[in-house]
Amino acid sequence: DAMVIQNPRYQVTQFGKPVTLSCSQTLNHNVMYWYQQKSSQAPKLLFHYYDKDFNNEADTPDNFQSRRPNTSFCFLDIRSPGLGDAAMYLCATSREKLYQETQYFGPGTRLLVL
Amino acid sequence: AQSVAQPEDQVNVAEGNPLTVKCTYSVSGNPYLFWYVQYPNRGLQFLLKYITGDNLVKGSYGFEAEFNKSQTSFHLKKPSALVSDSALYFCAVRGGGADGLTFGKGTHLIIQP
Repeated sequence: DAMVIQNPRYQVTQFGKPVTLSCSQTLNHNVMYWYQQKSSQAPKLLFHYYDKDFNNEADTPDNFQSRRPNTSFCFLDIRSPGLGDAAMYLCATSREKLYQETQYFGPGTRLLVL
Repeated sequence: AQSVAQPEDQVNVAEGNPLTVKCTYSVSGNPYLFWYVQYPNRGLQFLLKYITGDNLVKGSYGFEAEFNKSQTSFHLKKPSALVSDSALYFCAVRGGGADGLTFGKGTHLIIQP
């Protein structure tokens, strides 16, 4: 089945140790998004790629970076994780950037920072 | 800036009864409204969306939502609740120049046997 896949499902890292989360999709969608969802909160957009064009939200910390080497894959890099970065990280895709397009979410990666 | 309000943190419904999960929104321009469901430690599953046209939108798993422009609401409904409907429900809006979805805080739906 076509889908959005995130690996790993659970990631434990140490304070300050760089970590990379992975997302892949078989939908051949042009847009890939990364959302951060902290405990008991709504998901919040960090950034997105439209094809190779990277778009950062104004309030996303510099500590968060992203790469999209090809259509199928997108990575979230946290350069120096802090305790406050512990969260569920959700990857989503949509066919286009149009407002009416549905975003399809992966299962998420839960990040724990020790 | 756009926003979504889900006024109830939790909704309790007996199995077999109708359910309603409330959502109101604020956005400049035409609203594009979505409902997602999240099960524990899982991602968001798309239920339904309103783009234009008929104010009653039908979606997955027997859910439907009613768009009311004058009340800026998009309440989620189901005629007969199942225990398996118990989950966290998010209403979201797209528009106003934002690149992503703006979500409400979510409503825990608990269906009691």
